[in-house]
Amino acid sequence: AQSVAQPEDQVNVAEGNPLTVKCTYSVSGNPYLFWYVQYPNRGLQFLLKYITGDNLVKGSYGFEAEFNKSQTSFHLKKPSALVSDSALYFCAVRDGGNNRLAFGKGNQVVVIP
Amino acid sequence: NAGVMQNPRHLVRRRGQEARLRCSPMKGHSHVYWYRQLPEEGLKFMVYLQKENIIDESGMPKERFSAEFPKEGPSILRIQQVVRGDSAAYFCASSPPGTGNNSPLHFGNGTRLTVT
Repeated sequence: AQSVAQPEDQVNVAEGNPLTVKCTYSVSGNPYLFWYVQYPNRGLQFLLKYITGDNLVKGSYGFEAEFNKSQTSFHLKKPSALVSDSALYFCAVRDGGNNRLAFGKGNQVVVIP
Repeated sequence: NAGVMQNPRHLVRRRGQEARLRCSPMKGHSHVYWYRQLPEEGLKFMVYLQKENIIDESGMPKERFSAEFPKEGPSILRIQQVVRGDSAAYFCASSPPGTGNNSPLHFGNGTRLTVT
C-alpha cells in the first residue's frame, strides 16, 4: 500500500526567506504525487501535482516541488515565503494501480513577519 | 461552478445517536471520496464511491459506518450509535470521470462532528 511521510511537525520561516516542506513516499508502482494546503476550518486546496515528465513542478501561489526518484522524495518549495502562506500542508501519493489518495499527517507552516 | 458542498458544517450528537453527513460533488464529477481528519493524524481514507457503487471501502470501520452515493442526490456518510471517538472532521472530495490517477481531488469544507 502507498504511504507518505512528512517528518517535521512544524516549519518556522521568516517572511521573505525560502520555504521547504519535506515529503517522502512509498509506492509499489508509479507514483502520482500531490501537494495540498489547508487553511483553518477549510477543506484542502490543490497546489500542484507530479505525474510524469519534468522533475520540477510549478504550481499555484508561487509554489513548486521537486521530484527525486532515487530518494523517493517530493519536497515542496517556495523561494520567498509570505505571512499568508502560514497553513497546514499535506503531501499525498496515489499508487498507479488504484484510485485511493494517501495523505501524510501534514506540516504546519508558520511564516514569521 | 459550485465546488464540493458538504452539510452540515457542524454537527453535535450525543452518544448513541446517528450522524448523517451529506456531500454534493462538483458538477460533472461522479467519483466521491470520504476522509476523516483527526488532530495530529492527518487525513485517513475511508471510502471511494461512484454513482450507485462502492469501489473501495478498505478504510471504513467494519461496524456502525456506511456510505452511499445514489443515482440521484448527494453522497451520504452514516454513522450509527456514535461514540466520543467518532468526533472528527469528515471531508468529502470529488473528481471527474475518465481522468484516472492524474486528477487531483477537489475537497469540500468538511463536517465537524462532535459527540458529547
